[in-house]
Amino acid sequence: QLVLTQSPSASASLGASVKLTCTLSSGHNNYAIAWHQQRPEKGPRFLMKLNHDGSHTKGDGIPDRFSGSSSGAERYLTISSLQSEDEADYYCLTWGTGSWLFGGGTKLTVL
Amino acid sequence: EVQLVESGGGLVQPGGSLRLSCAASGFTVSSNYMSWVRQAPGKGLEWVSVIYGGGTTYYADSVKGRFTISRDNSKNTLYLQMNSLRVEDTAVYYCARAPLGWPTNWGQGTRVTVSS
Repeated sequence: QLVLTQSPSASASLGASVKLTCTLSSGHNNYAIAWHQQRPEKGPRFLMKLNHDGSHTKGDGIPDRFSGSSSGAERYLTISSLQSEDEADYYCLTWGTGSWLFGGGTKLTVL
Repeated sequence: EVQLVESGGGLVQPGGSLRLSCAASGFTVSSNYMSWVRQAPGKGLEWVSVIYGGGTTYYADSVKGRFTISRDNSKNTLYLQMNSLRVEDTAVYYCARAPLGWPTNWGQGTRVTVSS
């Protein structure tokens, strides 16, 4: 059964970098995912599609500070030069025929 | 510019019905995968339903048989008809455009509260 696992919370200081992780369940190492950001009281925002080989395609207007990488079943979102506006919930998502599956989300606090 | 604007949310009693709308601009709804996703208070995102360009529809098990996704090509609008509503359907409902299978554009959401 396909499951996406995310840590519930993460924190990092203003100006620092943070790496968020989305882990695919066993046997699904080749799946691509998409990262989305959701600021408080806002709708989600597409950040990037991330393939199993680490190649990624970002959404319109997404700053270079946001990057993605992959290793095995892990899919990473790295945010560098953290800004206060980066404080948000981050969700990974994968998709198949007839369904989407979200990870539980990571709440990022910028200290 | 792609825009998605949801409407139709509100307060409804258990067992009642609501129809949500998602007015699209900047692209053609019928040429895209379009989905509804919901978020219960304080919880994460949950996929609800998708309609493909050819009209094929799919639903999460939690809403199958109660919700119906559809579109009006002349109005470039996506709908979600929700019947037999339950307290656990309380959520903000978002529509999303997924031109290549994953969502790239989202609306701002419409709030549905099911309560007596």
